[in-house]
Amino acid sequence: AQKVTQAQTEISVVEKEDVTLDCVYETRDTTYYLFWYKQPPSGELVFLIRRNSFDEQNEISGRYSWNFQKSTSSFNFTITASQVVDSAVYFCALSRRDGGKLIFGQGTELSVKP
Amino acid sequence: KAGVTQTPRYLIKTRGQQVTLSCSPISGHRSVSWYQQTPGQGLQFLFEYFSETQRNKGNFPGRFSGRQFSNSRSEMNVSTLELGDSALYLCASSLISNLSYEQYFGPGTRLTVT
Repeated sequence: AQKVTQAQTEISVVEKEDVTLDCVYETRDTTYYLFWYKQPPSGELVFLIRRNSFDEQNEISGRYSWNFQKSTSSFNFTITASQVVDSAVYFCALSRRDGGKLIFGQGTELSVKP
Repeated sequence: KAGVTQTPRYLIKTRGQQVTLSCSPISGHRSVSWYQQTPGQGLQFLFEYFSETQRNKGNFPGRFSGRQFSNSRSEMNVSTLELGDSALYLCASSLISNLSYEQYFGPGTRLTVT
């Protein structure tokens, strides 16, 4: 069975602090995809990144970076120099090779205070 | 390119009634997935349609059904509504190719059952 765990339910930081959101997954598949989505108060899920199981390279996009480690089944997300606009619920998700069904974690609500 | 659109955005129904929600995917996307989001259960996969065929199905009762049309637009139907069906229903579309499995989400339909 596939499962995604985001142990941090809520995180509160002050603007400009760095913050890491943890994601641990379980799967027996050798080929799978991992995702991060952002859900602002408006409700729409915004795609942030996709990583396939064969690509363990870390990725940086502006203030965002992702650390994928197959050895620990983790796919963590770091926001550097957080801003108030980063306040949202962040979801980590897992899909099988065919990509049709996303298994989501419970989400981490990030609050960035000015 | 226009994003995923969902109609209606808000809906209030009474227990026992039925409801139909609509989703128009991003142009060129052939896969449409549906998710239910509630505070207690989080984001849960309902079903996925690809080229008018249901490709994946989540663990929901038969009251939840869907279909996809030849233009990739999709509808989901919930019959005999229960109070517990109150949720945000999110639709996502995907290209589903060897290079891309990202699912792009619409703004959702917020259903309230009274």
